Amino acid sequence: RKEVEQDPGPFNVPEGATVAFNCTYSNSASQSFFWYRQDCRKEPKLLMSVYSSGNEDGRFTAQLNRASQYISLLIRDSKLSDSATYLCVVNGQGGKLIFGQGTELSVKP
Amino acid sequence: DGGITQSPKYLFRKEGQNVTLSCEQNLNHDAMYWYRQDPGQGLRLIYYSQIVNDFQKGDIAEGYSVSREKKESFPLTVTSAQKNPTAFYLCASSIFARVSTGELFFGEGSRLTVL
Repeated sequence: RKEVEQDPGPFNVPEGATVAFNCTYSNSASQSFFWYRQDCRKEPKLLMSVYSSGNEDGRFTAQLNRASQYISLLIRDSKLSDSATYLCVVNGQGGKLIFGQGTELSVKP
Repeated sequence: DGGITQSPKYLFRKEGQNVTLSCEQNLNHDAMYWYRQDPGQGLRLIYYSQIVNDFQKGDIAEGYSVSREKKESFPLTVTSAQKNPTAFYLCASSIFARVSTGELFFGEGSRLTVL
């Protein structure tokens, strides 16, 4: 089993749609969880951290389910500019960050 | 402007040649990292360094070497021993004490193609 596994993509959605990505992790001792965004052929950038209580940043909501060992990212009212690959990141042993393979989102007009 | 600079952005090399990728940061970060990304895959950790003159192997260190002689610099050498070196290489840094916050700052990457 991969340490961090994401929904396979790509997700193709119309503008204005709500889309959700899921990510599962294998290490029950993991304490830190994040979503990164990566545009095509660019470097990843931190989108948001994921807190136990869930957190929201504008149209983006991240949630953590420790019992089932998964995190999710919800994007409401999708914009064309949301098109990117979304990477789930979890801290592993020794504090190293482990990246999922990414889920590609394409928002169409 | 503070940030991480990688060079070159694109690099072509022949099989059997070593190549060194440069990574410089002026963020005064303690920790620096090298990742490799292949199409459709997540980032895989090659090497990381938490302090000057010290570095640790990541998950795929075979065929790579690094040095950390200065805080600002963490060059990566892709040696001829690396069986499949064609990839997108990303250098990152973090304030070590806060690495658990996930705040990795990445350079723009170096795209290596072996001919």
